[in-house]
Parts: sequence; structure tokens; C-alpha cells
Amino acid sequence: DTEVTQTPKHLVMGMTNKKSLKCEQHMGHRAMYWYKQKAKKPPELMFVYSYEKLSINESVPSRFSPECPNSSLLNLHLHALQPEDSALYLCASSPYSGRLQETQYFGPGTRLLVL
Amino acid sequence: GNSVTQMEGPVTLSEEAFLTINCTYTATGYPSLFWYVQYPGEGLQLLLKATKADDKGSNKGFEATYRKETTSFHLEKGSVQVSDSAVYFCALSDLGGGSEKLVFGKGTKLTVNP
Repeated sequence: DTEVTQTPKHLVMGMTNKKSLKCEQHMGHRAMYWYKQKAKKPPELMFVYSYEKLSINESVPSRFSPECPNSSLLNLHLHALQPEDSALYLCASSPYSGRLQETQYFGPGTRLLVL
Repeated sequence: GNSVTQMEGPVTLSEEAFLTINCTYTATGYPSLFWYVQYPGEGLQLLLKATKADDKGSNKGFEATYRKETTSFHLEKGSVQVSDSAVYFCALSDLGGGSEKLVFGKGTKLTVNP
């Protein structure tokens, strides 16, 4: 199994809703990432988990709350989002075996629309 | 800090034409370099990578050579197909906070016409 899966594929939510995005990988990778991608832009890093611990938070607003329940699963909890948060949210993983310059493997993304 | 500069698009080619997408980088250390491709409506897929100077990455007819002397990693393909239409991102790895961080270029949209 060499893929990263994300659910749901599409999500529409109101500004008062609470929703969660889910990401899963079964490659034994120990680093997992959340990215946000706006149209016609490169992905922007949001969070990094290494060995299930949050290692990087790129000053993301608190309305985005990541969670890593185990080494295979990564969630992104959403609450009180703004319309400008509408974007493609990408999850990625990498082995983090201690070697530098590891490849990140991306999921297909969740396309989020905030109304 | 580290950065990646890639040629502005969009790039429009006819089928079987030669493709070059330029990418140059700035890095303090010895990064790995990557090309990712994003097909319409999809996530990113790794196309190829190179981890040290003079390495050549190749996949699906695409090639790129890690040139330390010119700090470049240009993407080439000898004969493009309609199915190559996508956005291509050049990226480098940057070890920060104990985890890999990818620094992306802005992306180049390629359209191949039949």
C-alpha cells in the first residue's frame, strides 16, 4: 500500500459548523503533514507531526486544530471557518527514518468550500 | 532562507514538442530537489527527484539534472503528450524543526494541444 487517502473528497460547510478532515496512510511513515492550497498557488505548509507529536505549526489560526491519534491517522478539525479558508487541503506523509531529504507522498486532497 | 524560482507560465505546446521548465534554487546547505505534478482536480504526485549534485532524476520520459554550479534543476521532456497537461511544481527539501519541509516554486501550468 503506497498511498495516502483523504476523506471527504469535497466538503461544504457554514461558518458556524464544526467538521473534520481525515487522512490515513499505511506505509509506516512517521511524519505527516497538512497543507493548504489556494487556486493557482503552490501548497502552503500548515502543520507537521513527527512520531505523533506536533513539530511544526506555521502560525495557523486556532480555528484549525490538528490531531494525530496514531501513526497512521491525521485529522484536521475545523470550527468557525471563514470564506477565505475555502481551499484544497492536502495531507502528506514521509518516512522520517532519520535520513535527510525524504520524499513526501501526497493524498488527493479535500476540496473545502466555506459559505 | 531557502527558495525556489521557476519559470512563469502558462506554457502551451503542441503534441510531440520539446519541453523545458526552468527551476533555480537558493539554499544554504545541500538540499534534495523534486518535481511534483498536479493534474486537474487532483493532489500532488512526485514526478522525479535528485538528492545530490549531478544526480539525474527521471520518470515517464521526464528528466532533470541537479546542477550545483548553476543552482538549477530544469525539467525536460523530449516529446510531450496531451496527457502531460498539468501544473508542475519544483521544490526543495529544507530540514526545519526536525522534520522535512518542502519549499515550493509557484508552479508552471502546461497545456499540450493535439
